[in-house]
Amino acid sequence: EVQVLESGGDLVQPGGSLRLSCAASGFTFSNYAMYWVRQAPGKGLEWVSGISGSGGKTYFADSVKGRFTISRDNSKNIVSLQMNSLRGEDTALYYCARSGTYTNALDIWGQGTMVTVSS
Amino acid sequence: DIQMTQSPSSLSASVGDRVTITCRASQGISTYLAWYQQRPGKVPKLLIYGASTLQSGVPSRFSGGGSGTDFTLTISSLQPEDFATYYCQNYNSAPHTFGQGTKLEIK
Repeated sequence: EVQVLESGGDLVQPGGSLRLSCAASGFTFSNYAMYWVRQAPGKGLEWVSGISGSGGKTYFADSVKGRFTISRDNSKNIVSLQMNSLRGEDTALYYCARSGTYTNALDIWGQGTMVTVSS
Repeated sequence: DIQMTQSPSSLSASVGDRVTITCRASQGISTYLAWYQQRPGKVPKLLIYGASTLQSGVPSRFSGGGSGTDFTLTISSLQPEDFATYYCQNYNSAPHTFGQGTKLEIK
């Protein structure tokens, strides 16, 4: 079964750091770009970051640029989101998602992992 | 960055109605446009990509159209399970921004 599973969400203080992971299975991981999308409580979807299949290209939303980094380990089928200098507005459910086979639309989504930034 | 604006923000309709949601991009994105459905408490689901290509398994009552800056999502005959929030997304160039969402409610 094709799936992705996020982990690493937690309660963290403002200014703190957190690392999210997304484990993929059921497909040739290195063939697909991977993305992170977040959703604050009661709000809409916000695209956060993406990484190409090889890991050579990375992309970030302006709201997280310079604070978040994305990486992948194609030998372990894992994509990670390192989040530094966390702010209250980063509080959200963070989804990991896969690009489609023929498109960069997101066809496989995980269940999400919750990040809460609060003192 | 490309801004995506959906209209309306919310919509009340009845089972069997035909509804159309609009998405406008702040600059041309060709057909690099996707639509997602999110039911309450659930994970978003891809409905349409390439502006008009139906994702495998999605019912044919869903259809998409448009190119450039103006796009539509149409549901030809609403079913009870269609009451949800719908999002458009630009994936022409990063950041792959989403629209603010359209909440479709039962009248």
